[in-house]
Amino acid sequence: DARVTQTPRDKVTEMGQEVTMRCQPILGHNTVFWYRQTMMQGLELLAYFRNRAPLDDSGMPKDRFSAEMPDATLATLKIQPSEPRDSAVYFCASALGALDSVYTDTQYFGPGTRLTVL
Amino acid sequence: RKEVEQDPGPFNVPEGATVAFNCTYSNSASQSFFWYRQDCRKEPKLLMSVYSSGNEDGRFTAQLNRASQYISLLIRDSKLSDSATYLCVVKTSYDKVIFGPGTSLSVIP
Repeated sequence: DARVTQTPRDKVTEMGQEVTMRCQPILGHNTVFWYRQTMMQGLELLAYFRNRAPLDDSGMPKDRFSAEMPDATLATLKIQPSEPRDSAVYFCASALGALDSVYTDTQYFGPGTRLTVL
Repeated sequence: RKEVEQDPGPFNVPEGATVAFNCTYSNSASQSFFWYRQDCRKEPKLLMSVYSSGNEDGRFTAQLNRASQYISLLIRDSKLSDSATYLCVVKTSYDKVIFGPGTSLSVIP
């Protein structure tokens, strides 16, 4: 049963600290998304990658957030320095998107990383 | 105006009831539409895609009205296990996907 994995599942840190979240997409999926979910804002798209290349990161605060895919099996989201307003659940999702299609296959979400910045 | 809006919740319905959710989107160039379900403290999961002709999956029926730019989800014979938040999802162009704020459903015994 293939699934997206995320680590850590929970992270409590202090303001100013660096936070790194990791995601392993489903093997063979070529599209990876990072989302942030809060009660106030709902689910927001931060960035996504196609074949490891960043396609859109307009939803991500550039000054402190960065997203990378070092290889096809690992996506990372880093916050440096973290702030209390970054407290949220961060989801990674993967999909098997077709390069020439306007339709995206189902997105499979990981369990999320619950981040609390004190 | 938000790009994707949903009925404000929560919806509290008795078991066996029929409940309908609506979702409106602002971009007329939107290409495809989905309903996702999210259980409390869990990740969203695809419930069903929404096709132009409407589609049904068991007790769930999804409809799309492009002229009025809205999508609906109908749940018949509600079960306790249907309690969740239902997220309307709109894909506007190549991979740009927008999630609605969600509608919370509680099915009461």
